[in-house]
Amino acid sequence: NAGVTQTPKFRVLKTGQSMTLLCAQDMNHEYMYWYRQDPGMGLRLIHYSVGEGTTAKGEVPDGYNVSRLKKQNFLLGLESAAPSQTSVYFCAIGAYPHYEQYFGPGTRLTVT
Amino acid sequence: SQQGEEDPQALSIQEGENATMNCSYKTSINNLQWYRQNSGRGLVHLILIRSNEREKHSGRLRVTLDTSKKSSSLLITASRAADTASYFCATAESNDYKLSFGAGTTVTVRA
Repeated sequence: NAGVTQTPKFRVLKTGQSMTLLCAQDMNHEYMYWYRQDPGMGLRLIHYSVGEGTTAKGEVPDGYNVSRLKKQNFLLGLESAAPSQTSVYFCAIGAYPHYEQYFGPGTRLTVT
Repeated sequence: SQQGEEDPQALSIQEGENATMNCSYKTSINNLQWYRQNSGRGLVHLILIRSNEREKHSGRLRVTLDTSKKSSSLLITASRAADTASYFCATAESNDYKLSFGAGTTVTVRA
């Protein structure tokens, strides 16, 4: 997972609290992605970005917001956490032209 | 929604045996990729096969692609305990920046 870091690694939130997950890369790739992984469901795309200043919705965007103010950083925000957002969150960066992805180590979030 | 579906969901083999898992998908693709995830870690890219390729090798990995059947297989030869992991296929559609991941196959290699 060299080149992609995620902060924090673990977090416990109470329902209604907010938080921001940070993804940082040092590989200068344009494409960045946020996924959530739940048991038996594989990876589901939350939001993604195709370049600095751009963001787009993925498969499960509700309850999350993102920002890509700098090319190397992609932030995922939870404005009002819900127990359904308990999951492991992965950030990935994508390489042109085939979009193979390189993943960060993940953030384990529990919402009580 | 998930494009790829892996089969089987779980696989247990003896060290030294081969492991085969399959992936089926629904729409036309630009390429198909396989990833490995060790417990508690992020996914690691293993191999990519383009839609105009039928077979690809990388070390002990062999991937096949049959676009007429919309299916792919991943073969791991001479398995080792370190191959214990979950394996995911992911498809990239033409002109799309995103990948669609399947739910994965969990492989356990017994010593």
